[in-house]
Amino acid sequence: HLEVTQSPSASASLGASVKLTCTLSSDHNSYAIAWHQQQPEKAPRYLMKVDSYGRHTKGDGIPDRFSGSSSGAERYLTISSLQPEDEADYYCQTWGADLAVVFGGGTKLTVL
Amino acid sequence: QVHLVQSGAEVKKPGASVKVSCKPSGSTFRGFRMHWVRQAPGQRLEWMGWIHTDNGNTKYAQKFQDRVTITRDTSASAAYLDVRSLRSDDTAVYYCAREYCNSGSCFFYLDYWGLGTLVTVSS
Repeated sequence: HLEVTQSPSASASLGASVKLTCTLSSDHNSYAIAWHQQQPEKAPRYLMKVDSYGRHTKGDGIPDRFSGSSSGAERYLTISSLQPEDEADYYCQTWGADLAVVFGGGTKLTVL
Repeated sequence: QVHLVQSGAEVKKPGASVKVSCKPSGSTFRGFRMHWVRQAPGQRLEWMGWIHTDNGNTKYAQKFQDRVTITRDTSASAAYLDVRSLRSDDTAVYYCAREYCNSGSCFFYLDYWGLGTLVTVSS
């Protein structure tokens, strides 16, 4: 059964870096995922796709401060030089062999 | 620039149905999968299903397959979400999102989102 796990919250200081984690269930550690950002009261926005090799494909206009990587069943989103507008919910999204989409529970990022 | 334009907010009574539309602009309609995702107040994103705009094939989340129908009208270049037998816990923002497809293959990540349609179910 495909599952995606995210920590509920994270925080980091303005100008610092933060690394968010998305963990795939153990039988699915070769799967790619996508990261989406949802700022308060806004629609989600696609950030990037990250595959099991750590290669990432960013969406239109996504700053270089956002990058993706992988290790085993974990997929990461790293945000450097944190800005106030980076305070948002970040969702991990993947898909199963049955062609169904699965979202993680989201991580609420607070910029201190 | 791709935009997904959704229909306006709806208020419905329990037991009623609602139909939400989604029209891409700045992009062709054909050759993609269009997904529907909802978000109840303060809750996570919840995937509902998709439709392929070329052949009309659909896939639904198990939770919704008895009450939800996703359709498309190629002449209108629009996708639609129908939810029947509405309950108060269907109150949510409903988003359409486009799946990235290229040269006939689709890759399961959602690269563009609509702004959402608020559906309120209340007696």
